[in-house]
Order: sequence, then structure tokens, then C-alpha cells
Amino acid sequence: NAGVTQTPKFRILKIGQSMTLQCAQDMNHNYMYWYRQDPGMGLKLIYYSVGAGITDKGEVPNGYNVSRSTTEDFPLRLELAAPSQTSVYFCASSSGRAEETQYFGPGTRLLVL
Amino acid sequence: GENVEQHPSTLSVQEGDSAVIKCTYSDSASNYFPWYKQELGKRPQLIIDIRSNVGEKKDQRIAVTLNKTAKHFSLHITETQPEDSAVYFCAASNMGNDMRFGAGTRLTVKP
Repeated sequence: NAGVTQTPKFRILKIGQSMTLQCAQDMNHNYMYWYRQDPGMGLKLIYYSVGAGITDKGEVPNGYNVSRSTTEDFPLRLELAAPSQTSVYFCASSSGRAEETQYFGPGTRLLVL
Repeated sequence: GENVEQHPSTLSVQEGDSAVIKCTYSDSASNYFPWYKQELGKRPQLIIDIRSNVGEKKDQRIAVTLNKTAKHFSLHITETQPEDSAVYFCAASNMGNDMRFGAGTRLTVKP
């Protein structure tokens, strides 16, 4: 199993540009999550999904959108990039309520200039 | 929503000494408390977790204790080694739905 994969690894965006961060998992996990980690800080939950077709806001959802059309994929969309969105973005997945251990992807480093 | 506070923010110990990191949480409905280790430039990785029906859990040199009444839990690392140097995060969630992380503790183990 590849586990949780993320693309791209690094991206530079100009203010106002849009992009989609890709996340996929091959562990048949129901739950998927998007976090952002600012330098020297902890992880903050942006959005999460408990299954295909179901998404919920986390702690810091403003400026982002998600969709979950399949169990495997959970893309994160930035519509109008702002410098405040410069961060490292981690996707994670877990099997569900009975087993909450989250497995993280390698992260995407995003710089907005 | 849940609020998790973690102390200290930095911790430096001599190799072989013990290290203790403490976290408090605010939501009494939280029932799952994992600890993650993150090395520089890497992804967070689970090192140990505890559920609300257990007061203590141990895995070799690592142990976690939970006090539900006081709403705090702690990570204990014994016989620390240089490779334990990393940032450690605590977290709390209710059935894994909305996990909140502490701000992290940077542990340095000096040889």
C-alpha cells in the first residue's frame, strides 16, 4: 500500500490564483482530513469527511473548499490564494469511528506571493 | 469546540533522563487522545494513543497517562536518546470527528 499520497510536494502561487491540492489513500479509509501547519505551530483542521459525499468544516475552513466524490480521493481547493494561506498542508485518513488513528501524507508546501 | 493546550513549548534533557509533556483539553466529550512525533520536514507519526476508558498505557520507553476528571493527559519518555529529538504534538477528539492539536513541544536530547 502507498498509504496517503499528496501532490504537489511544493508550489508557489501568486495572490489571487487558484489551485487544487490532491490527496489520495489506498487503505479504504472512510475518514479523511485536511490540516494546515504554519511554521513552528501545531496542526489546524481545515475540513474533514466521514465518507464519500459528506464533508464538514473544521477549525479554519475559510478560503478553502473540498469535495469527496470517491472513498479514495479528497482534494482541497484554494480559490483566491492569499499570503495568509502560505503553509504546509497535510492530508490524513483513518478507518473510522472504531479506530481513530490518523495516518498522514507527506505534505504539500505552499507559498503565496 | 475543543481547545488543547500543551506545555512546555520547548524541553531540553540530557540523554538518559526522562521527559514529560503535559496537555489539557476543554471538551469533556473528548474520548481519544493521541500523541504524534514530527521530525524536521517530515509528516507527523503516531507514537502512542489512549482512550477515555483507560488511565495509563505504556509502550516500551513511552507512556501516556490520562486524568479525565482534571481533563489532562501526559506523555512520559524514559531513558531518552538523541533520536527522540523532535516536535511532539498531543491531540484530542470525540470519535475522531474533529481532532484538535496542541501547539507542540520541541524536545532536544543532548548526548
